[in-house]
Amino acid sequence: GAVVSQHPSWVICKSGTSVKIECRSLDFQATTMFWYRQFPKQSLMLMATSNEGSKATYEQGVEKDKFLINHASLTLSTLTVTSAHPEDSSFYICSARDFGHLFANTGELFFGEGSRLTVL
Amino acid sequence: KNEVEQSPQNLTAQEGEFITINCSYSVGISALHWLQQHPGGGIVSLFMLSSGKKKHGRLIATINIQEKHSSLHITASHPRDSAVYICAVTSNTGNQFYFGTGTSLTVIP
Repeated sequence: GAVVSQHPSWVICKSGTSVKIECRSLDFQATTMFWYRQFPKQSLMLMATSNEGSKATYEQGVEKDKFLINHASLTLSTLTVTSAHPEDSSFYICSARDFGHLFANTGELFFGEGSRLTVL
Repeated sequence: KNEVEQSPQNLTAQEGEFITINCSYSVGISALHWLQQHPGGGIVSLFMLSSGKKKHGRLIATINIQEKHSSLHITASHPRDSAVYICAVTSNTGNQFYFGTGTSLTVIP
């Protein structure tokens, strides 16, 4: 079945540095990928929708200059947390839709393994 | 009020028990997803439903579009089923997602 790979699975960085997280669809093309954030004991929160070849669509309250998203190819989206601070420490997850032959709105979702960011 | 409500929040069961997790939603949807998140954080999509019922091994998912309700059933539960189960819906516009807060399931041997 379809697989989404996320890298790195965990990262520790100093405050003020930038961290890049990659999300790859391994055996299907994903024109749309999604980035989520999850705080401890809470559910997923959609941060932004990443569109191949165009700007990402950010959810309300998510700073686009803080969380840079690039979707340069049909199989890769990256999330860069710029000038990270301890409050950015969280679990970041991506997902992608494999539309296959299905209608555009009902493509099945596949999730990456997540990336745990700790900012010291 | 959340667009997606799950119950129960926490569930402890003995191995072998039949388990049901419920999900109600208040928005128009194109699909409903049941997700499984293990302690390490990784998420697996168990089912995507837009109508009726789906079965995969010991897992069964049903959805009633008129009542805006879905259930996830686990038959003959096993300790390896211990995880957080999350209900999520895709809006009928296609690119909005709403997530339930999850049901933490612990199956005791």
